[in-house]
Amino acid sequence: EPEVTQTPSHQVTQMGQEVILRCVPISNHLYFYWYRQILGQKVEFLVSFYNNEISEKSEIFDDQFSVERPDGSNFTLKIRSTKLEDSAMYFCASSEIRGGTQETQYFGPGTRLLVL
Amino acid sequence: AQKITQTQPGMFVQEKEAVTLDCTYDTSDPSYGLFWYKQPSSGEMIFLIYQGSYDQQNATEGRYSLNFQKARKSANLVISASQLGDSAMYFCAMRGITGNQFYFGTGTSLTVIP
Repeated sequence: EPEVTQTPSHQVTQMGQEVILRCVPISNHLYFYWYRQILGQKVEFLVSFYNNEISEKSEIFDDQFSVERPDGSNFTLKIRSTKLEDSAMYFCASSEIRGGTQETQYFGPGTRLLVL
Repeated sequence: AQKITQTQPGMFVQEKEAVTLDCTYDTSDPSYGLFWYKQPSSGEMIFLIYQGSYDQQNATEGRYSLNFQKARKSANLVISASQLGDSAMYFCAMRGITGNQFYFGTGTSLTVIP
């Protein structure tokens, strides 16, 4: 069964460093998302991406964050200068289309980011 | 704006028994989707079941069923014949028609007792 994959599974970085989190969405999906989950808290939306541009973003997704689809398969989240409060699990998700059961967002296994 | 409320931070159930996890939502959108995800201790988010707001019947997927009461704005997850592997966090989520992000509840931690 097709699945969303994410690399790395764990990332430790120093405050102020740049990190790039990578995702490979399910191949026939058109909508891509990033969410984050701070330890013990609920999952929060960051950004959605469709047709090679951001379609929606939350207040969390400030100028420190950027997303890119550098090729036909990868979808990346870049954090330019990490802060301690960026420590969280970051989930990539994808969905086929909007509407009905096909809009189900399938999540990757997550990247656990720790900023020291 | 959409809001999801899960009022049970933790639940216990005996193995082989059924358990209901509560979820209420608030939205002004005329059309929306409701979803349940399971998050085991390993951290991944596993899709369980979907209910569309205009679906006439309650959704079912194997041992999972959704008790959808539109007038009450509730979408409770029912797990029948609980198994030890069902121990996990369970998140209710919804998506409206204004935007395509998912809104998640705070989750319910389910522990299945042998």
